[in-house]
Amino acid sequence: QLQLQESGPGLVKPSETLSLICTVSIGSISTNDYYWAWIRQSPGKGPEWIGSVSHRGNTFYNPSVKSRVTISVDTSKNQFSLKLTSVTAADTAIYYCAREVSTARGVFGYWGQGTLVTVSS
Amino acid sequence: SFELTQPPSVSVSPGQTATIPCSGDGLSQKYVSWYQKKPDQSPVVVMYQDMKRPSGIPERISGSNSGNTATLTIRGTQAMDEADYYCQAWDSRTFVVFGGGTKLTVL
Repeated sequence: QLQLQESGPGLVKPSETLSLICTVSIGSISTNDYYWAWIRQSPGKGPEWIGSVSHRGNTFYNPSVKSRVTISVDTSKNQFSLKLTSVTAADTAIYYCAREVSTARGVFGYWGQGTLVTVSS
Repeated sequence: SFELTQPPSVSVSPGQTATIPCSGDGLSQKYVSWYQKKPDQSPVVVMYQDMKRPSGIPERISGSNSGNTATLTIRGTQAMDEADYYCQAWDSRTFVVFGGGTKLTVL
């Protein structure tokens, strides 16, 4: 069973850059043409898709954060990463990495456990 | 921007049928998925492409999508079904959008 694990700082200062890595195990990030995603959930709100990347580096971003986000993939390390610049308190959330299921685009069947990122000085 | 609207809460008695709606403009033109989320757990997809069940999801859970409303239906609701449910739409233009979620309470 594919496993995903998020890692990165749990506390980021306002105006700085949030950086997270998702490590994929028991499976290759280069298998087929799946899209790998970052999704976040703030307290009391529904999940918010941040963006997705393929193993070839093709990316799609949520327009609401597009100007601040970069998602990239490192196939040699079986990882993909998220960078979100100029963060504010509104970016405080649990951040999940996820992968599409094999049979449908835009359906996330594999999720990491999530990592809480707090934006505070 | 495209938005999905869900009622904040739905209550149901054990053994009864729970219906959770999700509305959005032209929603039937998009594929809808549903996720179940329990406290301190990651979301689990329970329905995708409107009415397809992933492996391991019981047949008493079903989905539909017509007009501007998609619906998740849970028959014979059990205590284990108590969770937050999120609808999610996908198409090649708007990509991925989630609803605000519905808390299902089994009374």
